[in-house]
Amino acid sequence: GENVEQHPSTLSVQEGDSAVIKCTYSDSASNYFPWYKQELGKRPQLIIDIRSNVGEKKDQRIAVTLNKTAKHFSLHITETQPEDSAVYFCAASNAGGTSYGKLTFGQGTILTVHP
Amino acid sequence: GAVVSQHPSWVICKSGTSVKIECRSLDFQATTMFWYRQFPKQSLMLMATSNEGSKATYEQGVEKDKFLINHASLTLSTLTVTSAHPEDSSFYICSVEGLAGFYEQYFGPGTRLTVT
Repeated sequence: GENVEQHPSTLSVQEGDSAVIKCTYSDSASNYFPWYKQELGKRPQLIIDIRSNVGEKKDQRIAVTLNKTAKHFSLHITETQPEDSAVYFCAASNAGGTSYGKLTFGQGTILTVHP
Repeated sequence: GAVVSQHPSWVICKSGTSVKIECRSLDFQATTMFWYRQFPKQSLMLMATSNEGSKATYEQGVEKDKFLINHASLTLSTLTVTSAHPEDSSFYICSVEGLAGFYEQYFGPGTRLTVT
């Protein structure tokens, strides 16, 4: 099955700096890669996703890049703010296959943005 | 995105009892729902895929007789933790597949289960 590795496990930055979180996946058939933000005790919130036919996607301060050959994808947050502090999870799925789009999650990154 | 609710939001039960958690898709009909478990400071682990009108598909290592899933309608899936033990204490989250055509998932608010 799919295996997703996420790094770093913790990331501490100063407000205004950029933050980068990286994930690698093992199943070359995976074609959908969402990123979720989870605050303590809350549900994961989809913040951005990318599909395998696209190399990069941007939404305001958040961007995701995908390298299918190397099987890795990254989340980039620019101009970080204290409210960006949360746990971020990457995930991968083989949407459209027999797996019904089930997600395999990375281990999570605790992002702390210091004012 | 989809609006998903869960009930209850938290529950405390005694060891050996059973607990039912409901997951509802409020704004569209969901043929597929997923159940995840999240231990403190850990990632989400898929437990099972719930398909309306058919048996759930369980992930390897998840006891189907202990975690009973019923997806009786297109808006409701239930997870029953039978004979709960303290090690079953966790955050249980359901998700619903979106309709955008590429399997976005939208999560419920989660249920915090504590077994004493």
